[in-house]
Amino acid sequence: GQSLEQPSEVTAVEGAIVQINCTYQTSGFYGLSWYQQHDGGAPTFLSYNGLDGLEETGRFSSFLSRSDSYGYLLLQELQMKDSASYFCAAGAGSYQLTFGKGTKLSVIP
Amino acid sequence: DAGVIQSPRHEVTEMGQEVTLRCKPISGHNSLFWYRQTMMRGLELLIYFNNNVPIDDSGMPEDRFSAKMPNASFSTLKIQPSEPRDSAVYFCASSLANTEAFFGQGTRLTVV
Repeated sequence: GQSLEQPSEVTAVEGAIVQINCTYQTSGFYGLSWYQQHDGGAPTFLSYNGLDGLEETGRFSSFLSRSDSYGYLLLQELQMKDSASYFCAAGAGSYQLTFGKGTKLSVIP
Repeated sequence: DAGVIQSPRHEVTEMGQEVTLRCKPISGHNSLFWYRQTMMRGLELLIYFNNNVPIDDSGMPEDRFSAKMPNASFSTLKIQPSEPRDSAVYFCASSLANTEAFFGQGTRLTVV
Protein backbone atom coordinates (compact mmCIF):
# COMPACT_ATOMS: atom_id res chain seq x y z
CA GLY A 1 0.00 0.00 0.00
CA GLN A 2 0.89 3.64 -0.14
CA SER A 3 0.76 6.15 2.70
CA LEU A 4 2.20 9.62 3.20
CA GLU A 5 2.27 11.65 6.40
CA GLN A 6 2.55 15.40 6.61
CA PRO A 7 1.48 17.95 9.24
CA SER A 8 -2.10 19.13 8.90
CA GLU A 9 -1.42 22.80 9.59
CA VAL A 10 1.51 25.21 9.75
CA THR A 11 1.54 28.93 10.51
CA ALA A 12 4.44 31.23 9.62
CA VAL A 13 5.18 34.93 9.44
CA GLU A 14 5.49 36.86 6.20
CA GLY A 15 9.13 37.03 5.09
CA ALA A 16 10.13 33.99 7.13
CA ILE A 17 11.14 30.47 6.07
CA VAL A 18 8.93 27.42 6.58
CA GLN A 19 9.61 23.73 6.10
CA ILE A 20 6.86 21.19 5.44
CA ASN A 21 7.88 17.60 6.08
CA CYS A 22 6.61 14.46 4.43
CA THR A 23 7.30 10.84 5.31
CA TYR A 24 6.16 8.03 3.10
CA GLN A 25 5.67 4.30 2.99
CA THR A 26 5.38 3.34 -0.63
CA SER A 27 6.13 0.11 -2.38
CA GLY A 28 7.91 0.59 -5.67
CA PHE A 29 8.75 4.20 -4.80
CA TYR A 30 9.78 6.24 -7.78
CA GLY A 31 10.00 9.86 -6.60
CA LEU A 32 8.39 12.58 -4.51
CA SER A 33 6.60 15.62 -5.86
CA TRP A 34 4.94 18.64 -4.30
CA TYR A 35 1.74 20.46 -5.21
CA GLN A 36 0.13 23.70 -4.12
CA GLN A 37 -3.61 24.18 -3.86
CA HIS A 38 -5.35 27.47 -3.09
CA ASP A 39 -8.86 27.37 -1.66
CA GLY A 40 -11.35 26.60 -4.39
CA GLY A 41 -8.63 25.80 -6.89
CA ALA A 42 -6.93 22.75 -8.31
CA PRO A 43 -3.58 21.36 -7.19
CA THR A 44 -0.69 22.69 -9.23
CA PHE A 45 2.75 21.15 -9.55
CA LEU A 46 5.64 22.78 -7.66
CA SER A 47 8.64 20.44 -7.76
CA TYR A 48 9.86 16.88 -8.10
CA ASN A 49 12.69 14.86 -6.53
CA GLY A 50 13.69 11.65 -8.22
CA LEU A 51 17.10 11.51 -6.60
CA ASP A 52 18.33 12.26 -3.09
CA GLY A 53 19.20 15.86 -2.43
CA LEU A 54 17.89 19.34 -2.84
CA GLU A 55 16.05 20.78 -5.83
CA GLU A 56 15.67 24.55 -5.96
CA THR A 57 13.05 26.47 -7.90
CA GLY A 58 13.07 30.13 -7.00
CA ARG A 59 11.79 30.65 -3.47
CA PHE A 60 10.79 26.99 -3.21
CA SER A 61 13.15 24.08 -2.61
CA SER A 62 12.42 20.40 -2.12
CA PHE A 63 14.53 17.70 -0.54
CA LEU A 64 14.46 13.92 -0.64
CA SER A 65 16.18 11.23 1.39
CA ARG A 66 15.28 7.78 0.11
CA SER A 67 17.09 6.01 2.94
CA ASP A 68 14.90 7.85 5.46
CA SER A 69 11.71 7.75 3.34
CA TYR A 70 11.52 11.45 3.98
CA GLY A 71 11.27 14.68 2.11
CA TYR A 72 10.43 18.30 2.72
CA LEU A 73 9.35 21.44 0.96
CA LEU A 74 11.11 24.64 1.96
CA LEU A 75 9.48 27.97 1.28
CA GLN A 76 11.62 31.08 1.69
CA GLU A 77 10.73 34.77 1.86
CA LEU A 78 7.14 33.87 2.58
CA GLN A 79 4.46 35.99 0.99
CA MET A 80 0.78 36.24 1.87
CA LYS A 81 -0.08 34.61 -1.45
CA ASP A 82 1.76 31.47 -0.30
CA SER A 83 -1.14 30.75 2.05
CA ALA A 84 -2.49 27.51 0.59
CA SER A 85 -2.47 23.77 1.09
CA TYR A 86 0.65 21.87 0.11
CA PHE A 87 0.60 18.20 -0.82
CA CYS A 88 3.42 15.74 -1.16
CA ALA A 89 2.83 12.94 -3.63
CA ALA A 90 4.68 9.69 -4.14
CA GLY A 91 5.14 8.19 -7.54
CA ALA A 92 5.21 4.42 -7.50
CA GLY A 93 5.79 1.90 -10.22
CA SER A 94 5.23 3.33 -13.64
CA TYR A 95 1.92 5.06 -13.24
CA GLN A 96 0.63 5.51 -9.72
CA LEU A 97 0.64 8.88 -7.97
CA THR A 98 -0.61 8.94 -4.37
CA PHE A 99 -1.06 12.14 -2.36
CA GLY A 100 -0.68 12.97 1.31
CA LYS A 101 -3.60 14.66 3.06
CA GLY A 102 -2.05 18.08 2.70
CA THR A 103 -0.63 20.78 4.96
CA LYS A 104 -2.57 24.00 5.29
CA LEU A 105 -0.07 26.87 5.45
CA SER A 106 -1.23 30.17 6.88
CA VAL A 107 1.06 33.13 6.37
CA ILE A 108 0.45 35.95 8.85
CA PRO A 109 1.69 39.56 8.70
CA ASP B 1 -3.09 23.08 -25.07
CA ALA B 2 -6.01 24.18 -22.89
CA GLY B 3 -5.01 21.86 -20.08
CA VAL B 4 -7.17 19.18 -18.51
CA ILE B 5 -10.82 19.97 -19.07
CA GLN B 6 -13.53 18.72 -16.76
CA SER B 7 -17.26 19.06 -17.03
CA PRO B 8 -19.51 19.99 -15.46
CA ARG B 9 -17.85 22.40 -12.99
CA HIS B 10 -20.77 22.07 -10.60
CA GLU B 11 -23.38 19.38 -10.29
CA VAL B 12 -26.31 19.24 -7.90
CA THR B 13 -28.39 16.09 -8.01
CA GLU B 14 -30.88 14.20 -5.94
CA MET B 15 -30.01 11.04 -4.10
CA GLY B 16 -30.52 8.00 -6.28
CA GLN B 17 -29.82 9.76 -9.55
CA GLU B 18 -27.03 8.82 -11.91
CA VAL B 19 -24.13 11.27 -12.19
CA THR B 20 -21.55 11.34 -14.97
CA LEU B 21 -18.39 13.38 -14.71
CA ARG B 22 -16.28 14.00 -17.79
CA CYS B 23 -12.61 14.62 -18.41
CA LYS B 24 -10.49 15.51 -21.41
CA PRO B 25 -6.78 14.99 -20.64
CA ILE B 26 -3.91 16.92 -22.14
CA SER B 27 -3.12 15.69 -25.61
CA GLY B 28 -0.17 13.28 -25.60
CA HIS B 29 -0.43 12.38 -21.93
CA ASN B 30 -0.65 8.65 -21.38
CA SER B 31 -1.81 8.48 -17.76
CA LEU B 32 -5.11 9.69 -16.36
CA PHE B 33 -6.14 9.86 -12.73
CA TRP B 34 -9.46 10.42 -10.98
CA TYR B 35 -9.28 11.85 -7.46
CA ARG B 36 -11.92 12.77 -4.89
CA GLN B 37 -11.30 15.53 -2.34
CA THR B 38 -13.17 16.06 0.90
CA MET B 39 -12.24 17.86 4.09
CA MET B 40 -12.32 14.64 6.06
CA ARG B 41 -10.41 12.35 3.72
CA GLY B 42 -8.24 14.72 1.75
CA LEU B 43 -7.25 13.92 -1.83
CA GLU B 44 -8.04 10.26 -2.54
CA LEU B 45 -6.96 8.39 -5.66
CA LEU B 46 -9.98 6.56 -7.07
CA ILE B 47 -8.61 5.02 -10.24
CA TYR B 48 -5.90 5.55 -12.79
CA PHE B 49 -5.47 4.58 -16.41
CA ASN B 50 -2.39 4.15 -18.51
CA ASN B 51 -2.76 4.11 -22.28
CA ASN B 52 -6.55 3.94 -21.77
CA VAL B 53 -6.30 0.78 -19.67
CA PRO B 54 -7.43 0.83 -16.01
CA ILE B 55 -4.37 -0.06 -13.95
CA ASP B 56 -5.67 0.16 -10.40
CA ASP B 57 -9.24 0.80 -9.30
CA SER B 58 -8.75 -0.23 -5.69
CA GLY B 59 -9.58 3.31 -4.59
CA MET B 60 -13.08 3.19 -6.03
CA PRO B 61 -15.24 3.22 -2.93
CA GLU B 62 -18.09 1.00 -4.06
CA ASP B 63 -19.64 -0.75 -7.02
CA ARG B 64 -21.77 2.33 -7.48
CA PHE B 65 -18.66 3.98 -8.94
CA SER B 66 -17.38 3.14 -12.39
CA ALA B 67 -14.88 4.76 -14.73
CA LYS B 68 -14.14 4.36 -18.40
CA MET B 69 -11.60 5.65 -20.87
CA PRO B 70 -12.83 4.73 -24.34
CA ASN B 71 -10.02 6.63 -26.06
CA ALA B 72 -6.96 8.73 -25.29
CA SER B 73 -8.89 11.99 -25.20
CA PHE B 74 -11.86 11.20 -22.99
CA SER B 75 -12.75 9.61 -19.67
CA THR B 76 -15.88 9.41 -17.56
CA LEU B 77 -16.54 8.72 -13.91
CA LYS B 78 -20.07 7.54 -13.20
CA ILE B 79 -21.90 7.21 -9.91
CA GLN B 80 -25.11 5.20 -9.96
CA PRO B 81 -27.06 5.57 -7.74
CA SER B 82 -25.63 8.67 -6.08
CA GLU B 83 -25.76 9.20 -2.31
CA PRO B 84 -25.26 12.31 -0.14
CA ARG B 85 -21.90 10.98 1.11
CA ASP B 86 -20.61 11.14 -2.47
CA SER B 87 -20.65 14.93 -2.24
CA ALA B 88 -17.10 16.10 -2.87
CA VAL B 89 -14.86 17.75 -5.44
CA TYR B 90 -13.77 15.29 -8.10
CA PHE B 91 -10.53 16.01 -9.92
CA CYS B 92 -9.20 14.52 -13.08
CA ALA B 93 -5.46 14.74 -13.75
CA SER B 94 -3.22 13.61 -16.57
CA SER B 95 0.50 13.06 -16.88
CA LEU B 96 3.18 11.84 -19.23
CA ALA B 97 5.18 10.31 -16.39
CA ASN B 98 4.30 9.98 -12.73
CA THR B 99 6.62 12.84 -11.88
CA GLU B 100 4.21 15.65 -12.62
CA ALA B 101 0.43 15.60 -12.92
CA PHE B 102 -1.75 18.33 -14.36
CA PHE B 103 -5.15 18.78 -12.78
CA GLY B 104 -8.44 19.94 -14.17
CA GLN B 105 -10.45 22.54 -12.29
CA GLY B 106 -12.59 19.85 -10.71
CA THR B 107 -16.27 19.07 -10.52
CA ARG B 108 -18.01 20.06 -7.29
CA LEU B 109 -20.70 17.44 -6.75
CA THR B 110 -23.52 17.94 -4.29
CA VAL B 111 -25.98 15.11 -3.73
CA VAL B 112 -29.08 16.16 -1.81
